[in-house]
Amino acid sequence: EPEVTQTPSHQVTQMGQEVILRCVPISNHLYFYWYRQILGQKVEFLVSFYNNEISEKSEIFDDQFSVERPDGSNFTLKIRSTKLEDSAMYFCASLGQAKDEQYFGPGTRLTVT
Amino acid sequence: AQTVTQSQPEMSVQEAETVTLSCTYDTSENNYYLFWYKQPPSRQMILVIRQEAYKQQNATENRFSVNFQKAAKSFSLKISDSQLGDTAMYFCAFMWNNQGGKLIFGQGTELSVKP
Repeated sequence: EPEVTQTPSHQVTQMGQEVILRCVPISNHLYFYWYRQILGQKVEFLVSFYNNEISEKSEIFDDQFSVERPDGSNFTLKIRSTKLEDSAMYFCASLGQAKDEQYFGPGTRLTVT
Repeated sequence: AQTVTQSQPEMSVQEAETVTLSCTYDTSENNYYLFWYKQPPSRQMILVIRQEAYKQQNATENRFSVNFQKAAKSFSLKISDSQLGDTAMYFCAFMWNNQGGKLIFGQGTELSVKP
């Protein structure tokens, strides 16, 4: 069964550094998402992406964040200058063809020190 | 704006017993989906069950069933014959059926199944 994959599973970075989180959505899906979950809190929407552009973004998704689909398979989330409060689990998801279910990747745990 | 509320931060149940997790939501939309996700300690998001708002029949997946009350905007999850492996965080979520809408999650309920 096709699945969403994410790399790395865990990334440790220093405050102020740039990080790129990578996702490979399911191949025939068209809508892609990033969500964030700070430890012990709920899952929060960051951004959705369709037809090579952002379709919606939350207040969290400020100028420090960007997304890209560079090669038709990968979907990346870049954080330009990480802050301590960016430490969280980041989930990528893609929307199935029936548009009734989002499929989640296993997540990337980002630790900013 | 849509909101999702889970009023039970923690619950516990004895193995083999039945437990119900509560969820309410607020929306002015008529066409949407509701979900329950399970998040074990690995933090993977696992879909447990899905309900389409236009369907009156409550969704069922093996030991998991929902009580969907559209007028009351309530969407509870019932777990029958609870198993130790059901121990996890459970999130209720809403998705507007607008061709690619985002998921909006509740705060979660931490369920412990005791032997």
